Amino acid sequence: NAGVTQTPKFQVLKTGQSMTLQCAQDMNHEYMSWYRQDPGMGLRLIHYSVGAGITDQGEVPNGYNVSRSTTEDFPLRLLSAAPSQTSVYFCASSYDPPGANEKLFFGSGTQLSVL
Amino acid sequence: GQQVMQIPQYQHVQEGEDFTTYCNSSTTLSNIQWYKQRPGGHPVFLIQLVKSGEVKKQKRLTFQFGEAKKNSSLHITATQTTDVGTYFCAGGSNYKLTFGKGTLLTVNP
Repeated sequence: NAGVTQTPKFQVLKTGQSMTLQCAQDMNHEYMSWYRQDPGMGLRLIHYSVGAGITDQGEVPNGYNVSRSTTEDFPLRLLSAAPSQTSVYFCASSYDPPGANEKLFFGSGTQLSVL
Repeated sequence: GQQVMQIPQYQHVQEGEDFTTYCNSSTTLSNIQWYKQRPGGHPVFLIQLVKSGEVKKQKRLTFQFGEAKKNSSLHITATQTTDVGTYFCAGGSNYKLTFGKGTLLTVNP
């Protein structure tokens, strides 16, 4: 099994450009989530999904959209990139939500720079 | 919203010394999880604590969950260079896992 796969690994954007970060998991996990990691800020939750067709906002959702059309995929869209979105993005999944005592499996991350 | 505070932010030790990181939540947690992130890597799950006052050990690592389920600690005995990385606590409630800012551990051989 591949686990949680994120693409691309690195991306450079210009301010105002749009792009989609891809995340796929092959573990039949219902719960998927996106975090961003900035120096000294830890991991902050952007959006999460408890199953196909269901998404909700996390701590820092502004500037990001998500959708969950299948169990396997949970893409993160930046509609109009801003320098403040320069960060490392991690996708994570689990069978049940973390509050139900499930550990998260993380992808290897996407390093995004917005110029 | 829920906040999880973690201290210290950085800790540098000599190999063989002990290390402890502390975690406090603003609300009562259903569980606390600990993750380790090696430099340039992604967070990897270490352990989960669920019960009030729970203590778990993994070789040289000891994890504790407070009686009120609002605080936790990770203690490493006799650190090794392989322990280098950032240790995160994360509090679980409802559908979210809220991470602390992490403690970066460096070990001088």
